[in-house]
Amino acid sequence: DSGVTQTPKHLITATGQRVTLRCSPRSGDLSVYWYQQSLDQGLQFLIQYYNGEERAKGNILERFSAQQFPDLHSELNLSSLELGDSALYFCASSAGGQSNYGYTFGSGTRLTVV
Amino acid sequence: AQSVTQLDSQVPVFEEAPVELRCNYSSSVSVYLFWYVQYPNQGLQLLLKYLSGSTLVESINGFEAEFNKSQTSFHLRKPSVHISDTAEYFCAELSGGSYIPTFGRGTSLIVHP
Repeated sequence: DSGVTQTPKHLITATGQRVTLRCSPRSGDLSVYWYQQSLDQGLQFLIQYYNGEERAKGNILERFSAQQFPDLHSELNLSSLELGDSALYFCASSAGGQSNYGYTFGSGTRLTVV
Repeated sequence: AQSVTQLDSQVPVFEEAPVELRCNYSSSVSVYLFWYVQYPNQGLQLLLKYLSGSTLVESINGFEAEFNKSQTSFHLRKPSVHISDTAEYFCAELSGGSYIPTFGRGTSLIVHP
């Protein structure tokens, strides 16, 4: 157990729907990062939050959004889902605003869009 | 922009044989380098990291990586692999004041009995 908790582990939904993925960072970590992993794109950085504020943005689609709450958990919202959004979504956390010492990853949410 | 090249998408090897997983990074300025391992159906775990100092870094399970600035490489090695080392290995680079590391596409290490 890495200390980063992601729920749900699996999600199957239809095209056009909206889903919410949840992440609780490791105790004491202030930063949360979201990544998408797919066979054709590899590991793609989506967005980072640090202590409730957006810190860095990557290849995140406009249909996707995220937030970090006062208790530091984070949610990734995916809307108007398409077949191509099927992927593993990982959350990672780090103590500070930078990841100089590496991340701690959760075990991921596998999203299947049918 | 940062870029990380993992030259081999798949490396098959027999148990107890040595292995090298290759990684080349792009930055010409100070850089932090990482290797992560992903076992089947799990998230990525930090295996080892180079921040500064000794160019040879080691993990607790026998892997080591050497930072080579002249060749911009950070290859991962193990002198004798086990079946349990079968996993996906990712190299990552953090440099140039960026907050976010760039990951390579991964190398699948397959250890055969």
